[in-house]
Amino acid sequence: DAGITQSPRHKVTETGTPVTLRCHQTENHRYMYWYRQDPGHGLRLIHYSYGVKDTDKGEVSDGYSVSRSKTEDFLLTLESATSSQTSVYFCAIKQGANTGELFFGEGSRLTVL
Amino acid sequence: QQQVKQSPQSLIVQKGGISIINCAYENTAFDYFPWYQQFPGKGPALLIAIRPDVSEKKEGRFTISFNKSAKQFSLHIMDSQPGDSATYFCAASIGYGQNFVFGPGTRLSVLP
Repeated sequence: DAGITQSPRHKVTETGTPVTLRCHQTENHRYMYWYRQDPGHGLRLIHYSYGVKDTDKGEVSDGYSVSRSKTEDFLLTLESATSSQTSVYFCAIKQGANTGELFFGEGSRLTVL
Repeated sequence: QQQVKQSPQSLIVQKGGISIINCAYENTAFDYFPWYQQFPGKGPALLIAIRPDVSEKKEGRFTISFNKSAKQFSLHIMDSQPGDSATYFCAASIGYGQNFVFGPGTRLSVLP
């Protein structure tokens, strides 16, 4: 258990509404990630962070923004949710630059109607 | 070039049998190849990983075979058990970089 908590775990929202997903870690790791998981696509990187206020885009960043104002929290925001953003979102942490293992949270299932 | 292909999409194996999942990549800069295991309702968890300086790595019943010239790697699960029923993802990255590219996953069912 890498001390990762995602919230909310489930959310149903309507098209056009803003949504924020929160990832909280208790171990002060530098690297944090947001992935989305969809059938047939595996896990795709949305955004990642390598420190407070240091973030970068991943493969599928369009329509998403992130913020990291504290080491322990990494927020993913959908400014105006669309049905194509219906997915399961996973937060992950990496314990250091010289380690390859990702530790994932339990996921947040988002449904956009 | 960033894509990692994975097959089969689903796999049904009898208890005690061998499960084999294959992955292929194009980007020759990839040099770290992990396999993740995911149970329903949970996040993926690292199962085993290999770097291309070896052709095989074994941990218990799980073995990764790596063929650098063919740009392919595979996961073998020996003596498959019902508890191995899960979705398996291969992945690749350049070093321990930020962008791990995942395959689409294989859903394994091991029948009792």
